[in-house]
Amino acid sequence: GIQVEQSPPDLILQEGANSTLRCNFSDSVNNLQWFHQNPWGQLINLFYIPSGTKQNGRLSATTVATERYSLLYISSSQTTDSGVYFCAVVNYGGSQGNLIFGKGTKLSVKP
Amino acid sequence: EPEVTQTPSHQVTQMGQEVILRCVPISNHLYFYWYRQILGQKVEFLVSFYNNEISEKSEIFDDQFSVERPDGSNFTLKIRSTKLEDSAMYFCASSGHREIDEQFFGPGTRLTVL
Repeated sequence: GIQVEQSPPDLILQEGANSTLRCNFSDSVNNLQWFHQNPWGQLINLFYIPSGTKQNGRLSATTVATERYSLLYISSSQTTDSGVYFCAVVNYGGSQGNLIFGKGTKLSVKP
Repeated sequence: EPEVTQTPSHQVTQMGQEVILRCVPISNHLYFYWYRQILGQKVEFLVSFYNNEISEKSEIFDDQFSVERPDGSNFTLKIRSTKLEDSAMYFCASSGHREIDEQFFGPGTRLTVL
């Protein structure tokens, strides 16, 4: 099945710093989503981005489907950005819509 | 804004007992999913449901698991005889009119099996 690799696994930042999280996937995808898992365990939708670039406030994401990767940019990080960021994909021509998750990037933003 | 809701938020049960986890998907969505996340691990797909039947299930979704949409709004996951290793966060998700549409997740039910 499709493999989803996220890097780095852990990231520690000072408040105000910028960061880039990466998601590589091993096959073509129909759907790619980025989530933030907050300290209470909730999965918050950040982006639905099977291709192209989107921005939402301090966050933006780019997916280059032909090269099988996606990037999540966090600018001017805040302590509330802490948590785990997951990338998840739906394999094109494979599964019927089920998301395959990466292992996540654990982000800690220090004041 | 419409959202997926789940009840209960936390369930504690004894090994061997049956549990039912409940979800109310977003009202006009057609595709429904259950995922689970063992503490500290990644989120794993369990089952998808469309047009009142299972579309796909993972190898985790064995005979002790079942899903049902008993009415027009609820979507349930039943675990018949819980095991210690069933302890996890269970997420319900729904998506709109295509199986590749964006999936929206509920807040999860934390299941603890003692």
